[in-house]
Amino acid sequence: EAGVTQFPSHSVIEKGQTVTLRCDPISGHDNLYWYRRVMGKEIKFLLHFVKESKQDESGMPNNRFLAERTGGTYSTLKVQPAELEDSGVYFCASSQVSSNTGELFFGEGSRLTVL
Amino acid sequence: AQSVTQLDSQVPVFEEAPVELRCNYSSSVSVYLFWYVQYPNQGLQLLLKYLSGSTLVKGINGFEAEFNKSQTSFHLRKPSVHISDTAEYFCAVRLLSGSARQLTFGSGTQLTVLP
Repeated sequence: EAGVTQFPSHSVIEKGQTVTLRCDPISGHDNLYWYRRVMGKEIKFLLHFVKESKQDESGMPNNRFLAERTGGTYSTLKVQPAELEDSGVYFCASSQVSSNTGELFFGEGSRLTVL
Repeated sequence: AQSVTQLDSQVPVFEEAPVELRCNYSSSVSVYLFWYVQYPNQGLQLLLKYLSGSTLVKGINGFEAEFNKSQTSFHLRKPSVHISDTAEYFCAVRLLSGSARQLTFGSGTQLTVLP
Protein backbone atom coordinates (compact mmCIF):
# COMPACT_ATOMS: atom_id res chain seq x y z
CA GLU A 1 0.00 0.00 0.00
CA ALA A 2 1.38 3.39 -0.98
CA GLY A 3 2.10 5.85 1.78
CA VAL A 4 1.53 9.58 1.79
CA THR A 5 3.27 11.11 -1.17
CA GLN A 6 4.27 14.73 -1.61
CA PHE A 7 5.44 16.66 -4.61
CA PRO A 8 7.81 18.35 -5.23
CA SER A 9 10.39 17.16 -2.76
CA HIS A 10 12.25 20.44 -3.08
CA SER A 11 11.30 23.73 -4.65
CA VAL A 12 13.46 26.83 -4.98
CA ILE A 13 11.67 30.03 -5.99
CA GLU A 14 12.22 33.75 -5.79
CA LYS A 15 10.34 36.07 -3.51
CA GLY A 16 7.05 37.06 -5.09
CA GLN A 17 6.64 33.90 -7.13
CA THR A 18 3.98 31.26 -6.65
CA VAL A 19 4.46 27.67 -5.60
CA THR A 20 1.97 24.83 -5.36
CA LEU A 21 2.66 21.82 -3.21
CA ARG A 22 0.72 18.61 -3.65
CA CYS A 23 -0.14 15.83 -1.25
CA ASP A 24 -1.65 12.44 -2.03
CA PRO A 25 -2.89 10.80 1.17
CA ILE A 26 -3.16 7.10 1.81
CA SER A 27 -6.16 5.69 0.00
CA GLY A 28 -9.23 5.71 2.21
CA HIS A 29 -7.89 8.31 4.63
CA ASP A 30 -10.43 11.09 4.91
CA ASN A 31 -8.36 13.15 7.35
CA LEU A 32 -5.63 15.20 5.72
CA TYR A 33 -3.34 17.60 7.55
CA TRP A 34 -0.74 20.13 6.51
CA TYR A 35 2.13 21.02 8.82
CA ARG A 36 5.17 23.24 8.42
CA ARG A 37 8.60 23.27 9.99
CA VAL A 38 10.57 26.48 9.71
CA MET A 39 14.32 26.71 10.36
CA GLY A 40 14.64 23.78 12.76
CA LYS A 41 11.82 24.92 14.97
CA GLU A 42 8.84 22.86 15.99
CA ILE A 43 6.52 21.33 13.44
CA LYS A 44 3.45 23.54 13.37
CA PHE A 45 -0.07 22.69 12.34
CA LEU A 46 -1.47 24.57 9.36
CA LEU A 47 -4.85 23.03 8.60
CA HIS A 48 -7.01 19.94 8.62
CA PHE A 49 -9.37 18.58 5.98
CA VAL A 50 -12.04 15.98 6.46
CA LYS A 51 -12.71 14.80 2.95
CA GLU A 52 -13.06 18.00 0.94
CA SER A 53 -14.09 20.21 3.86
CA LYS A 54 -11.75 22.37 5.89
CA GLN A 55 -12.23 21.26 9.47
CA ASP A 56 -9.68 23.58 11.03
CA GLU A 57 -7.52 26.17 9.35
CA SER A 58 -6.48 28.01 12.46
CA GLY A 59 -2.79 27.45 11.76
CA MET A 60 -2.70 29.07 8.34
CA PRO A 61 -0.29 32.00 8.70
CA ASN A 62 -2.01 34.48 6.36
CA ASN A 63 -4.07 34.84 3.22
CA ARG A 64 -1.11 34.16 0.96
CA PHE A 65 -1.66 30.50 1.71
CA LEU A 66 -4.50 28.64 0.03
CA ALA A 67 -5.25 24.97 0.57
CA GLU A 68 -7.68 22.90 -1.42
CA ARG A 69 -8.72 19.30 -1.50
CA THR A 70 -10.60 18.59 -4.66
CA GLY A 71 -13.06 15.73 -4.39
CA GLY A 72 -11.68 14.75 -1.03
CA THR A 73 -8.64 13.04 -2.53
CA TYR A 74 -5.35 14.84 -3.07
CA SER A 75 -4.68 18.27 -1.63
CA THR A 76 -2.73 21.27 -2.82
CA LEU A 77 -1.19 24.08 -0.83
CA LYS A 78 -0.49 27.22 -2.80
CA VAL A 79 1.69 30.06 -1.59
CA GLN A 80 1.15 33.29 -3.53
CA PRO A 81 3.15 35.47 -3.45
CA ALA A 82 5.93 33.68 -1.59
CA GLU A 83 7.97 35.55 1.02
CA LEU A 84 11.36 34.72 2.52
CA GLU A 85 9.81 33.59 5.81
CA ASP A 86 7.79 30.94 3.99
CA SER A 87 10.91 28.83 3.56
CA GLY A 88 10.72 25.55 5.39
CA VAL A 89 9.57 21.97 5.09
CA TYR A 90 5.88 21.39 4.49
CA PHE A 91 4.59 18.05 5.70
CA CYS A 92 1.37 16.38 4.78
CA ALA A 93 -0.22 13.68 6.91
CA SER A 94 -3.34 11.55 6.70
CA SER A 95 -5.40 9.29 8.91
CA GLN A 96 -8.68 7.46 8.96
CA VAL A 97 -11.64 9.32 10.42
CA SER A 98 -12.58 6.21 12.36
CA SER A 99 -9.23 6.17 14.15
CA ASN A 100 -9.39 7.66 17.63
CA THR A 101 -5.74 7.14 18.45
CA GLY A 102 -4.50 10.18 16.63
CA GLU A 103 -1.80 8.35 14.72
CA LEU A 104 -0.97 10.29 11.61
CA PHE A 105 0.92 8.94 8.61
CA PHE A 106 3.34 11.49 7.25
CA GLY A 107 4.83 12.12 3.86
CA GLU A 108 8.50 12.93 3.33
CA GLY A 109 7.81 16.62 3.13
CA SER A 110 8.27 19.31 0.51
CA ARG A 111 11.20 21.59 1.18
CA LEU A 112 10.51 25.16 0.04
CA THR A 113 13.32 27.64 -0.34
CA VAL A 114 12.39 31.24 -1.09
CA LEU A 115 15.27 33.42 -2.23
CA ALA B 1 -3.82 25.24 24.69
CA GLN B 2 -1.30 22.47 24.94
CA SER B 3 2.46 22.71 24.43
CA VAL B 4 5.42 20.35 24.24
CA THR B 5 8.97 21.03 25.38
CA GLN B 6 11.91 18.94 24.30
CA LEU B 7 14.70 20.05 26.56
CA ASP B 8 17.63 18.93 24.44
CA SER B 9 18.03 20.01 20.83
CA GLN B 10 21.15 17.88 20.28
CA VAL B 11 22.12 14.63 21.97
CA PRO B 12 25.41 12.99 20.95
CA VAL B 13 26.01 9.52 22.33
CA PHE B 14 28.43 6.70 21.63
CA GLU B 15 27.27 3.48 20.06
CA GLU B 16 25.95 0.88 22.53
CA ALA B 17 25.48 3.52 25.24
CA PRO B 18 22.04 4.18 26.75
CA VAL B 19 20.12 7.30 25.81
CA GLU B 20 17.21 9.30 27.18
CA LEU B 21 15.45 12.01 25.20
CA ARG B 22 13.37 14.25 27.40
CA CYS B 23 9.87 15.51 26.73
CA ASN B 24 7.57 17.54 28.93
CA TYR B 25 4.11 18.70 28.03
CA SER B 26 1.57 21.16 29.28
CA SER B 27 -2.17 20.70 28.91
CA SER B 28 -5.24 21.52 30.96
CA VAL B 29 -6.94 18.34 29.75
CA SER B 30 -5.89 14.76 29.12
CA VAL B 31 -3.83 14.03 26.07
CA TYR B 32 -2.50 11.22 23.97
CA LEU B 33 1.31 11.19 23.71
CA PHE B 34 3.51 10.23 20.79
CA TRP B 35 7.10 9.99 19.72
CA TYR B 36 7.88 10.31 16.02
CA VAL B 37 11.25 9.80 14.35
CA GLN B 38 12.58 11.31 11.16
CA TYR B 39 15.51 9.53 9.58
CA PRO B 40 17.60 11.50 7.06
CA ASN B 41 15.70 12.19 3.86
CA GLN B 42 12.60 10.40 5.08
CA GLY B 43 9.20 11.37 6.45
CA LEU B 44 8.07 11.23 10.05
CA GLN B 45 7.47 7.72 11.36
CA LEU B 46 5.60 6.77 14.50
CA LEU B 47 7.95 5.31 17.11
CA LEU B 48 5.46 4.72 19.92
CA LYS B 49 2.36 6.12 21.56
CA TYR B 50 0.64 6.31 24.91
CA LEU B 51 -3.13 6.24 24.91
CA SER B 52 -4.05 4.68 28.26
CA GLY B 53 -3.17 1.76 30.52
CA SER B 54 0.39 0.86 31.39
CA THR B 55 2.56 3.92 31.68
CA LEU B 56 5.53 2.14 30.11
CA VAL B 57 5.09 1.77 26.39
CA LYS B 58 7.35 -0.04 23.99
CA GLY B 59 7.90 0.99 20.42
CA ILE B 60 9.84 -0.02 17.38
CA ASN B 61 13.60 -0.48 17.23
CA GLY B 62 13.96 -1.16 20.95
CA PHE B 63 12.73 2.23 22.14
CA GLU B 64 10.43 2.70 25.09
CA ALA B 65 8.88 5.65 26.89
CA GLU B 66 7.32 6.19 30.26
CA PHE B 67 4.34 8.42 30.89
CA ASN B 68 4.57 10.30 34.17
CA LYS B 69 1.37 12.21 34.82
CA SER B 70 2.54 14.00 37.94
CA GLN B 71 5.62 15.33 36.18
CA THR B 72 3.83 15.72 32.84
CA SER B 73 6.68 13.95 31.14
CA PHE B 74 7.04 11.33 28.44
CA HIS B 75 10.76 10.62 28.16
CA LEU B 76 12.07 8.30 25.46
CA ARG B 77 14.75 5.73 26.30
CA LYS B 78 16.85 3.06 24.68
CA PRO B 79 19.31 0.92 26.66
CA SER B 80 21.82 0.53 23.82
CA VAL B 81 21.86 2.68 20.70
CA HIS B 82 23.11 1.85 17.22
CA ILE B 83 24.54 4.04 14.50
CA SER B 84 21.27 3.56 12.62
CA ASP B 85 19.37 5.34 15.42
CA THR B 86 20.85 8.63 14.28
CA ALA B 87 17.79 10.71 13.47
CA GLU B 88 15.63 13.53 14.72
CA TYR B 89 13.04 12.63 17.32
CA PHE B 90 9.82 14.54 17.95
CA CYS B 91 7.53 14.35 20.93
CA ALA B 92 3.88 15.23 20.27
CA VAL B 93 0.53 15.42 22.05
CA ARG B 94 -3.05 15.30 20.93
CA LEU B 95 -6.18 16.12 22.92
CA LEU B 96 -8.36 13.17 23.89
CA SER B 97 -11.51 15.05 23.02
CA GLY B 98 -12.73 18.23 21.46
CA SER B 99 -12.61 19.58 17.97
CA ALA B 100 -8.84 20.08 17.80
CA ARG B 101 -7.64 16.81 16.30
CA GLN B 102 -4.18 17.91 15.28
CA LEU B 103 -0.88 16.97 16.88
CA THR B 104 1.16 19.54 18.75
CA PHE B 105 4.87 18.89 18.36
CA GLY B 106 7.98 19.75 20.29
CA SER B 107 10.95 21.33 18.54
CA GLY B 108 12.74 18.02 18.06
CA THR B 109 15.91 16.38 19.39
CA GLN B 110 18.70 15.43 17.03
CA LEU B 111 20.22 12.16 18.23
CA THR B 112 23.66 11.49 16.82
CA VAL B 113 25.19 8.11 17.54
CA LEU B 114 28.97 8.14 17.35
CA PRO B 115 31.16 5.11 16.56
